[in-house]
Amino acid sequence: GENVEQHPSTLSVQEGDSAVIKCTYSDSASNYFPWYKQELGKGPQLIIDIRSNVGEKKDQRIAVTLNKTAKHFSLHITETQPEDSAVYFCAASIGSARQLTFGSGTQLTVLP
Amino acid sequence: EAGVAQSPRYKIIEKRQSVAFWCNPISGHATLYWYQQILGQGPKLLIQFQNNGVVDDSQLPKDRFSAERLKGVDSTLKIQPAKLEDSAVYLCASSGQGHYNEQFFGPGTRLTVL
Repeated sequence: GENVEQHPSTLSVQEGDSAVIKCTYSDSASNYFPWYKQELGKGPQLIIDIRSNVGEKKDQRIAVTLNKTAKHFSLHITETQPEDSAVYFCAASIGSARQLTFGSGTQLTVLP
Repeated sequence: EAGVAQSPRYKIIEKRQSVAFWCNPISGHATLYWYQQILGQGPKLLIQFQNNGVVDDSQLPKDRFSAERLKGVDSTLKIQPAKLEDSAVYLCASSGQGHYNEQFFGPGTRLTVL
């Protein structure tokens, strides 16, 4: 089955700096890669996703890049703000209607 | 649009007891998922329903876990008997039709087994 590895497990940045979280996946058939943000006591919330026919996608301060050959994808957050502090999860699946395999999460702390 | 509803939000039981969780997906969503999230880990899929049929339950410990989705709307997940290692947050998610539809998650039920 699919295996997703995520790192780092914790990341602290100063407000205004950029943050990068990286994931690798094992199943070359995976073609859908969402990123979720989970705040304390809440369920994960989708913040951005990318399909395998696209190399990069941007949404305001958030961007995701995908390298299918190397089977890795990354989340980039620019101009970080304290409200970006949360746990971020990457995931992979064959289409979103199939089961998601999640990474182990990254605790992002943005220091004011 | 109302989100995915789950209850209870918290549950504390002793090992060998039974427990049930309830989920109400977003109206019109045909696909419903139950995930187990152990502290410090990512969610792990337990079971996926399409309407009232099971699509994937390969990671559901069927000797103690059961789930149903009667009438293709609400769903319940049951654990009987519970073990200490079942302590986790149980997340319900739903998604609409289509190949790339977003999964919307509920707030989860935090289960503590003593």
